Amino acid sequence: DTGVSQNPRHKITKRGQNVTFRCDPISEHNRLYWYRQTLGQGPEFLTYFQNEAQLEKSRLLSDRFSAERPKGSFSTLEIQRTEQGDSAMYLCASSPDADTQYFGPGTRLTVL
Amino acid sequence: AQSVTQLGSHVSVSEGALVLLRCNYSSSVPPYLFWYVQYPNQGLQLLLKYTTGATLVKGINGFEAEFKKSETSFHLTKPSAHMSDAAEYFCAVSDLGSGNTGKLIFGQGTTLQVKP
Repeated sequence: DTGVSQNPRHKITKRGQNVTFRCDPISEHNRLYWYRQTLGQGPEFLTYFQNEAQLEKSRLLSDRFSAERPKGSFSTLEIQRTEQGDSAMYLCASSPDADTQYFGPGTRLTVL
Repeated sequence: AQSVTQLGSHVSVSEGALVLLRCNYSSSVPPYLFWYVQYPNQGLQLLLKYTTGATLVKGINGFEAEFKKSETSFHLTKPSAHMSDAAEYFCAVSDLGSGNTGKLIFGQGTTLQVKP
C-alpha cells in the first residue's frame, strides 16, 4: 500500500491553456473521488467513479472539466480553457468501500 | 441535503490544554461522520469516523469524538494539546447512509493554533 499519488504536485499555467492532472489510487480500490479546495475552504466534491464508470458529477464540474478513469485504475482530470477562478488544490481520494476515503497530496493549480 | 457547520474558524489553545473543535451536521438520513486533519500543502488524513455503533469514537493521535444525535453534533476533543497538533481540521458528513456514492460534504474547517 503506497498510498494515493497525484501528479503533478504543482501546476502553473496561463489563462486559456488546458491542463491535465493524474491520480493513481491505492491498488484495488474501486471507488475514486475528485474534490476541489480553494484557499480557506473545505474541499468540495467534483466527481465520483466506481471502477471505470463515472456515476456522479457535481454542478461545479462545468463543461470545461472532464474526468476519466480508463480500465478502472488511474484517473485524469482535464480542465480546458483555464480561468483564474480555477486556481485551487485538486484532491483525489480512493476507497475500497466508501466507508473511508484515502486522500492524495493534491495538485495545486495556479492560473495566471 | 446534507451540510456541516464548524463553529469557530480559528481556535487557539496552550500546549497541554484541552482541545475542543465543534461540528454540527444536518442530514435527513443516518449520518456517517468524519474528522480529517490537513497539514500545510498536504492532503487530508483521517483522524476518526462514526458510522454505526458506539457513539464515542477514538482516533489517532489521542483524538476522540462523540456522536450526539439529539444535538446533531460531532465535536472533536483531545485532553492535552501538543505542538504537533497545529493544523487545519475538517469535519465531514457522507451521503453513504442514503445509499449514495459516499461523497463527503465538508465544513469550512477550523485552524488549530497551539501556543507554547
